[in-house]
Amino acid sequence: GENVEQHPSTLSVQEGDSAVIKCTYSDSASNYFPWYKQELGKGPQLIIDIRSNVGEKKDQRIAVTLNKTAKHFSLHITETQPEDSAVYFCAASTTGGGSQGNLIFGKGTKLSVKP
Amino acid sequence: EPEVTQTPSHQVTQMGQEVILRCVPISNHLYFYWYRQILGQKVEFLVSFYNNEISEKSEIFDDQFSVERPDGSNFTLKIRSTKLEDSAMYFCASSEAEATNEKLFFGSGTQLSVL
Repeated sequence: GENVEQHPSTLSVQEGDSAVIKCTYSDSASNYFPWYKQELGKGPQLIIDIRSNVGEKKDQRIAVTLNKTAKHFSLHITETQPEDSAVYFCAASTTGGGSQGNLIFGKGTKLSVKP
Repeated sequence: EPEVTQTPSHQVTQMGQEVILRCVPISNHLYFYWYRQILGQKVEFLVSFYNNEISEKSEIFDDQFSVERPDGSNFTLKIRSTKLEDSAMYFCASSEAEATNEKLFFGSGTQLSVL
């Protein structure tokens, strides 16, 4: 089955700096890769996602890149702000085309942005 | 913004007791899910539900677990005889009909403590 590894487990940056979180996956059939942000006491919130037919996607200060050959994808947050502090989870799944698999999550990265 | 709501936020029970966790998915969503997160570990898939039946379930979702959509709005997870190892945060999620396993919206979770 699919296995998702996420690094680092903790990340501390200064406000205004960039943050990068990396994930690898094992199942070449996986074709959907979302990123979730979890704030204290809340459920995971979808912040960006990418499908395997796209190499990069950007939404304001957040971007995700995907390397299908190497089976890894990364979350990039630019100009970090204190409110970006949270736990970030990557995930992978196989979806569509009659072949579907549930989301497999990474272990999470606790991001701390220091003012 | 529509959201998935879960009740109760905290549930304490004695080992061997039955618990029912309740969820109200987003109204126009047709796919429903339960995930759980044991403290310090990954978010794990339990079950997905569509068209009044289970679509997929994990090894965790054994005979002690069941799901039900008793009416047009609620989606419940029942654990018949709780064990200590069932202690976890349980998240309900929902997604739109054309996006199975994609764009899941999560609730804030129910923290289940089995004593």
